[in-house]
Amino acid sequence: GQQVMQIPQYQHVQEGEDFTTYCNSSTTLSNIQWYKQRPGGHPVFLIQLVKSGEVKKQKRLTFQFGEAKKNSSLHITATQTTDVGTYFCAGRRDMRFGAGTRLTVKP
Amino acid sequence: NAGVTQTPKFQVLKTGQSMTLQCAQDMNHEYMSWYRQDPGMGLRLIHYSVGAGITDQGEVPNGYNVSRSTTEDFPLRLLSAAPSQTSVYFCTSSYGRSTDTQYFGPGTRLTVL
Repeated sequence: GQQVMQIPQYQHVQEGEDFTTYCNSSTTLSNIQWYKQRPGGHPVFLIQLVKSGEVKKQKRLTFQFGEAKKNSSLHITATQTTDVGTYFCAGRRDMRFGAGTRLTVKP
Repeated sequence: NAGVTQTPKFQVLKTGQSMTLQCAQDMNHEYMSWYRQDPGMGLRLIHYSVGAGITDQGEVPNGYNVSRSTTEDFPLRLLSAAPSQTSVYFCTSSYGRSTDTQYFGPGTRLTVL
């Protein structure tokens, strides 16, 4: 099955700084999903990308799917304390999640 | 809709004990799955089901059994608990398998002593 690697494992930023997490697969993905898990909570769906080179935005969050459909990224502009949590990517077809990037934000 | 519900929220077991983690959804979703979450290892798929009467193994199925007698329920059974099964367990459901949002339950935190 596909292996989904996510980097970095941890990221600590000052409030207002940007943040990016990357997801890389050893095989071509049919689609990719991103989830956010707040501390003590459960993962919540953010978005799904399907097309090669696709870019989607949700307010300060920008999601990209690589041209080869083997990588994806999530970029947060001007982080806020509400962005704290762990962000996971998931290769949906094989239902495998990356290990996640834990984001902490210093006010 | 209640969404995906899980019981219990917390459980402590002794090594060798058995128990069942309950999961139910009221969204009429065909697809359900169980994940375990361990620090630094993300979410690993244990078992999944694409519909009533159909189940299959995920990445880490050993030590766990599942059944799907109804669309709504997907219990996870630990046959003989081991300390390595200490984890947080999440049940999920979705309309389909490949392209749909997975809805997560609130999780069960299991400790095996």
